[in-house]
Amino acid sequence: SAVISQKPSRDICQRGTSLTIQCQVDSQVTMMFWYRQQPGQSLTLIATANQGSEATYESGFVIDKFPISRPNLTFSTLTVSNMSPEDSSIYLCSVRGGSEKLFFGSGTQLSVL
Amino acid sequence: AQTVTQSQPEMSVQEAETVTLSCTYDTSESDYYLFWYKQPPSRQMILVIRQEAYKQQNATENRFSVNFQKAAKSFSLKISDSQLGDAAMYFCAYRREGSQGNLIFGKGTKLSVKP
Repeated sequence: SAVISQKPSRDICQRGTSLTIQCQVDSQVTMMFWYRQQPGQSLTLIATANQGSEATYESGFVIDKFPISRPNLTFSTLTVSNMSPEDSSIYLCSVRGGSEKLFFGSGTQLSVL
Repeated sequence: AQTVTQSQPEMSVQEAETVTLSCTYDTSESDYYLFWYKQPPSRQMILVIRQEAYKQQNATENRFSVNFQKAAKSFSLKISDSQLGDAAMYFCAYRREGSQGNLIFGKGTKLSVKP
């Protein structure tokens, strides 16, 4: 299984500001995935990040709001831009491992005031 | 569009007893994967068990087993000999063959374990 480190683990931010979340994997992976979990809800895929190309966003998510970087095969960042209280969620990165398994980081708990 | 339904928002089980969490899904695909994930208060999503749709045999991982009924599109999780550490949110998830990482999750079932 992959070991995935996410930073920060939690943050409280003011509306209108931006937060960048980092995700580091202990092995090289082609694709990294970013999910959002709104309070009391399930997980929803935001985007898929491939190294060397632009991220692919799911319906309802746009690059201007959630820019993603993928500079190498072990690292990715997700930025939540111009935040509002509705952005308060847990953000998780994940990677696909062997046997079709998807592994998750420990998540970033974001609260926007 | 594929959907995953968990009809039990909350469940409770006595320590050492057995509990079954329900999950149904809707898809027109024939090849896909099903998963159960556990999310304790630490927020970490932990893979509990995985099932390939083409396999008739139900997956088993120690105290965790599934009852996979493909025709009925049902995928329940059985936890035997429940332990206090099993208390968590449990999410059922679906991924179609060829979809790299897009898991469709149910809304979750909160499991409490009584000592």
